[in-house]
Amino acid sequence: QKEVEQNSGPLSVPEGAIASLNCTYSDRGSQSFFWYRQYSGKSPELIMFIYSNGDKEDGRFTAQLNKASQYVSLLIRDSQPSDSATYLCAVRYGNKLVFGAGTILRVKS
Amino acid sequence: EAQVTQNPRYLITVTGKKLTVTCSQNMNHEYMSWYRQDPGLGLRQIYYSMNVEVTDKGDVPEGYKVSRKEKRNFPLILESPSPNQTSLYFCASSQAGAGDEQFFGPGTRLTVL
Repeated sequence: QKEVEQNSGPLSVPEGAIASLNCTYSDRGSQSFFWYRQYSGKSPELIMFIYSNGDKEDGRFTAQLNKASQYVSLLIRDSQPSDSATYLCAVRYGNKLVFGAGTILRVKS
Repeated sequence: EAQVTQNPRYLITVTGKKLTVTCSQNMNHEYMSWYRQDPGLGLRQIYYSMNVEVTDKGDVPEGYKVSRKEKRNFPLILESPSPNQTSLYFCASSQAGAGDEQFFGPGTRLTVL
């Protein structure tokens, strides 16, 4: 069974701070890694993907991948109250996509 | 508007009464899948389909069936629902498989009494 682990939180950060979300996965054969955001009562939506070791930046978001240590992280700079949501890490294994349970992020103004 | 639609959005039923949740996408996507979302367990993949007439099991397929007779439609069938299938169900589609951006439907809240 392929596993993806996330701390359920909630992670609380003040407005303007950096939020750091982490995810570990069990299989070194994993090929692609994704971060989805899910607002309460809504569907998940993709915010970042990363395939190679290192950092990938998109606006206020940075995804970091370390395949040797089998973890992927998401940094959100200058956190805003609108960033309050559940963040789902997802890992591709062949034709399947395995999600973690998600981390609840709360940004306090 | 590009979208994934699901029907019904809410359903309350009783144990053993067969039901179908429909899913349709208008983006000509090859890959479609069904997930269930439960508190503390996140999204778990039930079935996926790479293309018409090609379906395969995800991580939690027991008690579910699917079919893919047309590219745009991917219904989820519960032939004999049980209370442990009470959950929030999402259909998703993507152009190029599990490694591509997944577009999710609005979700179906199912309660089995």
